[in-house]
Amino acid sequence: GAVVSQHPSRVICKSGTSVKIECRSLDFQATTMFWYRQFPKQSLMLMATSNEGSKATYEQGVEKDKFLINHASLTLSTLTVTSAHPEDSSFYICSAMLTSGYEQYFGPGTRLTVT
Amino acid sequence: DQQVKQNSPSLSVQEGRISILNCDYTNSMFDYFLWYKKYPAEGPTFLISISSIKDKNEDGRFTVFLNKSAKHLSLHIVPSQPGDSAVYFCAASTNAGNMLTFGGGTRLMVKP
Repeated sequence: GAVVSQHPSRVICKSGTSVKIECRSLDFQATTMFWYRQFPKQSLMLMATSNEGSKATYEQGVEKDKFLINHASLTLSTLTVTSAHPEDSSFYICSAMLTSGYEQYFGPGTRLTVT
Repeated sequence: DQQVKQNSPSLSVQEGRISILNCDYTNSMFDYFLWYKKYPAEGPTFLISISSIKDKNEDGRFTVFLNKSAKHLSLHIVPSQPGDSAVYFCAASTNAGNMLTFGGGTRLMVKP
């Protein structure tokens, strides 16, 4: 199956700093990538849809100025958590969609801890 | 409003037996359904999918059944193996290129 990588896998940062998470599709091009957040023992919550070359579409309740998404190429999308707070601590997962449409392939996730 | 629901948060099955995971949806516009498997601290892994024009799709030990009239789908795993122990999410989409709506997940435990 298609491979999606995320970097870093774990990151600890201090309150007020910014953290960038990268999502790469390794063996295919993805015009659309998605960013999810998962709280403990809960389902995946879609944060935003990232389209290559255009602005991301954010879900209701997700602050676009806090969670900056850039999808500059067909294989890379980045999520930057700006001015991080402890409540931003979570598991962030990206996915990339094949051009054929439906299947999304997920990255391994990034555990963010804000102290 | 939860459009995709997995009403069983957990399921325990003996090794070698069949595991049946259920999923219900409310949006009749969904036309594609997927099952993902997820281990803790990892991203979901795609397992199997089914289009709304079909009622069954099989891939090895995994079979997905779709009952459109009941807005219900299920994932059958047979025979179940201890390595199948994970959280299983069903997801639905309204059309190609659109976002997935996930159910809450079911934790499957396969006992040796």
